[in-house]
Amino acid sequence: SQQGEEDPQALSIQEGENATMNCSYKTSINNLQWYRQNSGRGLVHLILIRSNEREKHSGRLRVTLDTSKKSSSLLITASRAADTASYFCAPTGKTSGSRLTFGEGTQLTVNP
Amino acid sequence: DTEVTQTPKHLVMGMTNKKSLKCEQHMGHRAMYWYKQKAKKPPELMFVYSYEKLSINESVPSRFSPECPNSSLLNLHLHALQPEDSALYLCASRPTGFGEKLFFGSGTQLSVL
Repeated sequence: SQQGEEDPQALSIQEGENATMNCSYKTSINNLQWYRQNSGRGLVHLILIRSNEREKHSGRLRVTLDTSKKSSSLLITASRAADTASYFCAPTGKTSGSRLTFGEGTQLTVNP
Repeated sequence: DTEVTQTPKHLVMGMTNKKSLKCEQHMGHRAMYWYKQKAKKPPELMFVYSYEKLSINESVPSRFSPECPNSSLLNLHLHALQPEDSALYLCASRPTGFGEKLFFGSGTQLSVL
């Protein structure tokens, strides 16, 4: 099944700085989703970017998609302590059907 | 109502116990999911129900038995679990149409003694 690989595994920054996380995948996709998970809680959907889109914005989030490199990046601008969480990408391939799987994720720590 | 509700939030059970996890949504979503998540690991897909029928079973041991009695409710029946089954169990739902986003519940933290 399609699964993304996030990079870096862990990222620690100061409040106000930008955070960039990357996701690579192996096969063609229909779309790619990013999720956030606070410790011990459920995942929260952040943004979905379709294969024919190159960039998408939502508030302080900016997602890019490069299908030629099979990669996506999530940029969080002006980070806040509340952004501390794990971030997962979930690429959905043409043969994924209902299946949605997650990579190891990036653990982001934003220090006040 | 845009929530997926999971009960109980915490559960401690012995290896001989039988218990059930419950998940409920009233968003009209016709696909529902169970994931298992160990500490500091990503969620692992266990089961997917689509229109109340089991569509994906990721080779999960039979001591986990899912049930979807109606379009709003998803259960996970647990029996003869092992300590290594201790984990956060997450339920999610999705509107019809592949590739659309999942809505997750807050999970049930399960400890097997």
